[in-house]
Amino acid sequence: QVQLQESGPGLVKPSETLSLTCTVSGYSISSGYYWGWIRQPPGKGLEWIGSVFHSGSTYYNPSLKSRVTISVDTSKNQFSLKLSSVTAADTAVYYCARDQSIIMVVGPRYWGQGTLVTVSS
Amino acid sequence: QSALTQPASVSGSPGQSITISCTGTSSDVGGYKYVSWYQQHPGKAPKLMIYDVSNRPSGVSNRFSGSKSGNTASLTISGLQAEDEADYYCSSYTSSSTLVFGGGTKLTVL
Repeated sequence: QVQLQESGPGLVKPSETLSLTCTVSGYSISSGYYWGWIRQPPGKGLEWIGSVFHSGSTYYNPSLKSRVTISVDTSKNQFSLKLSSVTAADTAVYYCARDQSIIMVVGPRYWGQGTLVTVSS
Repeated sequence: QSALTQPASVSGSPGQSITISCTGTSSDVGGYKYVSWYQQHPGKAPKLMIYDVSNRPSGVSNRFSGSKSGNTASLTISGLQAEDEADYYCSSYTSSSTLVFGGGTKLTVL
């Protein structure tokens, strides 16, 4: 069974960079699928941030693209999210997920439990 | 990319059927078969209920069904149960090879 676990600071200061890591168990990232990040501000809906393939190929939400970097470390079976120049609007629960498709980004199949990141001084 | 359009809320009584719509454009919902539906209970991660417009993952009740007509996809829940009360989100692949979610629909079981 594929399991994902987010980790990283729960509090980030405005203008700094938010960094999260997702550790995958039960499946090797090197075997395929897209691996992504989704966020959900308190009381609001889901927003797709972006996804990465094991080769390092990425797709990003156009509205966040200038601030987002998603990378993969196959040796640790992890992938990571960096979001720069954060503001209070970036406060959200951040989920990592594995996609349904092995060849394209069509929607998450397996989700992590989520981690709340608050942007505040 | 703009979020897909869902009704903010729907409600129904136990045993009834409800349908939640998800409207996009020809560049997302209307152009591809890659529409998914997710159920989210408070404080929990979303759960995949429907993929590829109308397919159910193993373990999902056959009371949940999906369909699509033009630029609008729909999720139908039949035989409504108290445990179905949750938020529901649709998502779609887009022509830019990205993913877009709907704004979400709160289902209340009366």
